[in-house]
Amino acid sequence: QQQVKQSPQSLIVQKGGISIINCAYENTAFDYFPWYQQFPGKGPALLIAIRPDVSEKKEGRFTISFNKSAKQFSLHIMDSQPGDSATYFCAASLLSKIIFGSGTRLSIRP
Amino acid sequence: SQTIHQWPATLVQPVGSPLSLECTVEGTSNPNLYWYRQAAGRGLQLLFYSVGIGQISSEVPQNLSASRPQDRQFILSSKKLLLSDSGFYLCAWERDRFYGYTFGSGTRLTVV
Repeated sequence: QQQVKQSPQSLIVQKGGISIINCAYENTAFDYFPWYQQFPGKGPALLIAIRPDVSEKKEGRFTISFNKSAKQFSLHIMDSQPGDSATYFCAASLLSKIIFGSGTRLSIRP
Repeated sequence: SQTIHQWPATLVQPVGSPLSLECTVEGTSNPNLYWYRQAAGRGLQLLFYSVGIGQISSEVPQNLSASRPQDRQFILSSKKLLLSDSGFYLCAWERDRFYGYTFGSGTRLTVV
């Protein structure tokens, strides 16, 4: 019930392509869904977040799509760049406790 | 502005030795504080969180403990380290309920 399932585990995308990472959750009480980006040897940094009353949120090249009925949400990175190569974590929050997905290692080929 | 400090950055400790990792937050008061562990190539495991001085919630039973002696100080400890305690330890604080966490730079712990 408290898990957040993330896929794929790793992803290789050509420069300029679209990167898509998917997540699913079970607990309908989750009320905040952030995405984090982590570079090697660094702590994760908040990238973008959405609340379940919104179906889509866009910030620059990054877009979250949220499907409340399916209990799924996804991150789309448009025009993917080599600098986007990192590990991405989806997450879900309830009562100030954030549960993270297992992470997706994204590599952008030049 | 708010900042989070975590030290040391790297640590190599023998099995059976004690551990003390410190995390402090500046520029805010009464933050929620968290300790996470990340094994190599793995996800983030919540170890402890605190909503106030002296208040500690444990998520995973193990030989680690946490304390919050001051409002903006969070300490992760162990009396005797195990090989399985190796990992990347991250401290985080929460500014606002819907603002997400801000993570520190992490401590890479290797138990040998």
